[in-house]
Amino acid sequence: QSALTQPRSVSGSPGQSVTISCTGTSSDVGDYDYVSWYQQYPGKAPKLMIYDVSKRPSGVPDRFSGSKSGNTASLTISGLQAEDEADYYCCSYAGTYTPVTFGGGTKLTVL
Amino acid sequence: QVQLVQSGAEVKKPGASVKVSCKASGYIFTGYYMHWVRQAPGQGLEWMGRINPNSGGTNYTQKFQGRVTMTRDTSISTGYMELSRLRSDDTAVYYCARGRQNFDYWGQGTLVTVSS
Repeated sequence: QSALTQPRSVSGSPGQSVTISCTGTSSDVGDYDYVSWYQQYPGKAPKLMIYDVSKRPSGVPDRFSGSKSGNTASLTISGLQAEDEADYYCCSYAGTYTPVTFGGGTKLTVL
Repeated sequence: QVQLVQSGAEVKKPGASVKVSCKASGYIFTGYYMHWVRQAPGQGLEWMGRINPNSGGTNYTQKFQGRVTMTRDTSISTGYMELSRLRSDDTAVYYCARGRQNFDYWGQGTLVTVSS
């Protein structure tokens, strides 16, 4: 099982929008609507930002949104804020026996 | 409130084993899978496996098959992850996380350092 493919880094200015892609295969992202996204600050545990492709947990700003097309999922952050600067990881369910696969992570820099 | 509290940092020699605990509170322990995810220094998240606290059934990723054992003690709502035959590249922060297809709560992480 291979890791999902994410860009190593993205950047944007405050107020702009950025999109982070997450490419998998027809065995994971393409086959299940169970893509989730996590935000991680240095030295901290990851935090769930999006689950089931596009749902937001309580307390997550609506500036964060998720979508999926075919084997590629995307996280869009609109109205960028300085506090959004962090690492972001996608994750997909991949079946009963090896149910979880993560992306390699994307470092978001707010310019 | 839901909390996952992990045991403290460990330093181990190559070839040894380490056992990390994760105590759950604020929810019905047997109602959610417990997963273990590790992160090597400067690297990404790596899923190791999961345990169903209700049945005790486990799934491990192929990379760790034969070296990892996940168990639980339902009487104290605690999950355990034991990794054997440690190598230097097992140095990482190990996290427990609650969930099924996603992880809504995470432990604070346990740093395991493998060094001679």
